[in-house]
Amino acid sequence: DADVTQTPRNRITKTGKRIMLECSQTKGHDRMYWYRQDPGLGLRLIYYSFDVKDINKGEISDGYSVSRQAQAKFSLSLESAIPNQTALYFCATSSAGVQETQYFGPGTRLLVL
Amino acid sequence: QKEVEQNSGPLSVPEGAIASLNCTYSDRGSQSFFWYRQYSGKSPELIMSIYSNGDKEDGRFTAQLNKASQYVSLLIRDSQPSDSATYLCAVASSGSARQLTFGSGTQLTVLP
Repeated sequence: DADVTQTPRNRITKTGKRIMLECSQTKGHDRMYWYRQDPGLGLRLIYYSFDVKDINKGEISDGYSVSRQAQAKFSLSLESAIPNQTALYFCATSSAGVQETQYFGPGTRLLVL
Repeated sequence: QKEVEQNSGPLSVPEGAIASLNCTYSDRGSQSFFWYRQYSGKSPELIMSIYSNGDKEDGRFTAQLNKASQYVSLLIRDSQPSDSATYLCAVASSGSARQLTFGSGTQLTVLP
């Protein structure tokens, strides 16, 4: 079984709809992240969480919100989806420490019409 | 804003050649550096990490770090068609947050 899972893997939605992307991990890591990837722009950090009570905005948090339901679960919500939120979304996890290696889930491909 | 720049590519090399991928970063206090490989439509996969100046070798991969020049590179020796992918450079920020900032990636094609 994969260590980091994301659901759904693909989603098509309409402008103005609320959508939630979910991430679960079995790695026992305390830190979790949400990124989006657009062609030619690399990965950009949306939100990150260092533990259940710690949520931080990343580079591009506008239009997104998150919930850390448990150490192993971190959800990303688009309150009112817009077409420029069409992207590939990745969840990642890491363990605290100098070496901060992040491990990525398989991604969710989101299309907002 | 902290930046990570990679040679834009795309980069094509013949099978068996050395592929050289370069990355510069703006945060002089950065301590941790990573190379990820990403196949089309897949998630990034860590292939190398480096924390000290100099070279670090792992199989056909060598990462090189020069903190004075704020430069990190990845060499792939004996390149294989299966190495064809986008390579992402990532730099952990200084300070307690230690967020990763990613470059936009270099697309590598290894020609049979």
